Amino acid sequence: NAGVTQTPKFRILKIGQSMTLQCTQDMNHNYMYWYRQDPGMGLKLIYYSVGAGITDKGEVPNGYNVSRSTTEDFPLRLELAAPSQTSVYFCASSYSQGPEQYFGPGTRLTVT
Amino acid sequence: DAKTTQPPSMDCAEGRAANLPCNHSTISGNEYVYWYRQIHSQGPQYIIHGLKNNETNEMASLIITEDRKSSTLILPHATLRDTAVYYCIVRVRLSGSARQLTFGSGTQLTVLP
Repeated sequence: NAGVTQTPKFRILKIGQSMTLQCTQDMNHNYMYWYRQDPGMGLKLIYYSVGAGITDKGEVPNGYNVSRSTTEDFPLRLELAAPSQTSVYFCASSYSQGPEQYFGPGTRLTVT
Repeated sequence: DAKTTQPPSMDCAEGRAANLPCNHSTISGNEYVYWYRQIHSQGPQYIIHGLKNNETNEMASLIITEDRKSSTLILPHATLRDTAVYYCIVRVRLSGSARQLTFGSGTQLTVLP
């Protein structure tokens, strides 16, 4: 199993541009999550999904959108990128009843 | 929501036990304590979790005080590869069984040769 994969690894955006961060898991997990991590800080939850077709906001959803059309994929969309969205983005997944969230390697995004 | 407090940094000699403390004095009776670690810019990695009793797995041991207001993560024989930021987390319930991991700033553990 590849686990949780994320693309791209790095990206530089100009202010106002848009992009989609990709996340795929091959463990058949129902639950998927997007977190962001600012320098020197812990992770904050952006959006999460409890299954295909079901998504909900986390702690810091403004400026982002998500969709979940399949169990495997959970893309995160940034519209009108702003410097405040410069961060490292982590995708995670978990079994519905399991204690452990499995994290991807992250996408490092810079908005200038 | 229960919050956790950890020292910002600790050092440990290689081969010795690393004891990482965490205070969670506002934890509710049915909330678990989780420990994750993050090795330099990688995604966080689950270590262990517990409710009341002490727990042990192949990575670490977790000691929870009887009043559940604090816990200690023990890495019995620290190696250089254990250098990481360690997060003590109380999960916040979302919808259904989904849980949000509420990360604080964690403890930077440096294992010294």
